[in-house]
Amino acid sequence: AQSVSQHNHHVILSEAASLELGCNYSYGGTVNLFWYVQYPGQHLQLLLKYFSGDPLVKGIKGFEAEFIKSKFSFNLRKPSVQWSDTAEYFCAGIPGGYQKVTFGTGTKLQVIP
Amino acid sequence: NAGVTQTPKFQVLKTGQSMTLQCAQDMNHEYMSWYRQDPGMGLRLIHYSVGAGITDQGEVPNGYNVSRSTTEDFPLRLLSAAPSQTSVYFCASRLNVDSTTGELFFGEGSRLTVL
Repeated sequence: AQSVSQHNHHVILSEAASLELGCNYSYGGTVNLFWYVQYPGQHLQLLLKYFSGDPLVKGIKGFEAEFIKSKFSFNLRKPSVQWSDTAEYFCAGIPGGYQKVTFGTGTKLQVIP
Repeated sequence: NAGVTQTPKFQVLKTGQSMTLQCAQDMNHEYMSWYRQDPGMGLRLIHYSVGAGITDQGEVPNGYNVSRSTTEDFPLRLLSAAPSQTSVYFCASRLNVDSTTGELFFGEGSRLTVL
């Protein structure tokens, strides 16, 4: 089945540490990929998205992600995390031409001051 | 713009009761959907709609009904609530049916507890 998977369920980092959260997808062909963030008690907000073009995508709040087609990956990165980045992060994808968005199981990030 | 509005934000039901979660968007979005969020399981698609009068099932449709009589509204009905339906429910919409045109916009969520 077509899916999106996140292998890091819970990540704990100190402030200023670098972050990389893994996301893999299993679609063939064209694909649209997203990273969403959910701060405690809030709804999901878009961090960044990839549709086509430059595989290195920059989003809000200093986040970026790289689409690597050969690895079926779309990992999220941030060079230096802050306490305010404590949240749950969801990778999501949709094959080109389809309508339904599939979400990964999420990664909870805890940043320690 | 209000965006995507969900009501109620919190609800407690007894097993067997019925209720409707309301979702409305004021962005003239074609595509609307309902997800449930459970710990360790991410977001799972319940039902979705690609326009007024058109709905389809997602991954976990059992126990839920939907209808789309207008572009703006997409209510989710629980006909006979069960404890397994205790969850946080999110409504989300997208401008067009075509997946290449943009991201999902989410409502604030509705936390449902079934006793």
